Amino acid sequence: DMKVTQMPRYLIKRMGENVLLECGQDMSHETMYWYRQDPGLGLQLIYISYDVDSNSEGDIPKGYRVSRKKREHFSLILDSAKTNQTSVYFCASSLSTSNSDYTFGSGTRLLVI
Amino acid sequence: GDQVEQSPSALSLHEGTGSALRCNFTTTMRAVQWFRKNSRGSLINLFYLASGTKENGRLKSAFDSKERYSTLHIRDAQLEDSGTYFCAGNNNNAPRFGAGTKLSVKP
Repeated sequence: DMKVTQMPRYLIKRMGENVLLECGQDMSHETMYWYRQDPGLGLQLIYISYDVDSNSEGDIPKGYRVSRKKREHFSLILDSAKTNQTSVYFCASSLSTSNSDYTFGSGTRLLVI
Repeated sequence: GDQVEQSPSALSLHEGTGSALRCNFTTTMRAVQWFRKNSRGSLINLFYLASGTKENGRLKSAFDSKERYSTLHIRDAQLEDSGTYFCAGNNNNAPRFGAGTKLSVKP
C-alpha cells in the first residue's frame, strides 16, 4: 500500500527545545513537501524538496530547516522551538512537481509549551 | 500573496440536501486537487483535475483554468460527509491551499 508515513503523530515540546519531524514515502517520489495547518489559514508551504539535497524555501520557512539525505525521507527540524510553531504539520510527496497528484501523511500535531 | 480563495468558510447542510464549495485562484493554475480532512486528521484525496469535470458518487468537481476557479458539488449529503474540505491549486511549483470549508451535516 503506497503511502506517506509521518512520525511522531503527537509531540509536546518545551520552548527552546529542538524538534525533529520525520516523513517517509515508499513510492520513489522525487518531490516532497512540508506544510503546516492552522485554523483559518489552510495549509501553508514551509519547504519543498525536489530530490536528495535539493531543497527550496516555501512561503513560511523562517524558524525551520529541512534535510533530505535519502529520496524516501524528508525531515523537518525546528531549532529552538517557539510557541507560535504549535501547529499540525503535514508532509506530502508527488512523483515530480509536474505531476500534481499528491499523497499526504496523516500529520503530526506539535504543541510547544 | 494569497493565491487561493476558498468559500464558504463554513457550511451547514441537512441530510439529503446539497451545495457547492468554490475556490477562486488569483493566478493561473495548471491543476486543482480537492481534499477532505477526516476525523483522524488525515487528508484524503478526493479529486485531481487538470481540466473539465470528474464525478465520484455524490461528489462532483469542476475546474476551469482559464476562468481561474474550481468547484466541488455535494449532493444528498450524509452525516459522514462532515469535515473540512480543502482545495489546492498547482502552478508548477507546489500546491497552494485554500483556507478550507468546514462542512457540518445535520440530521
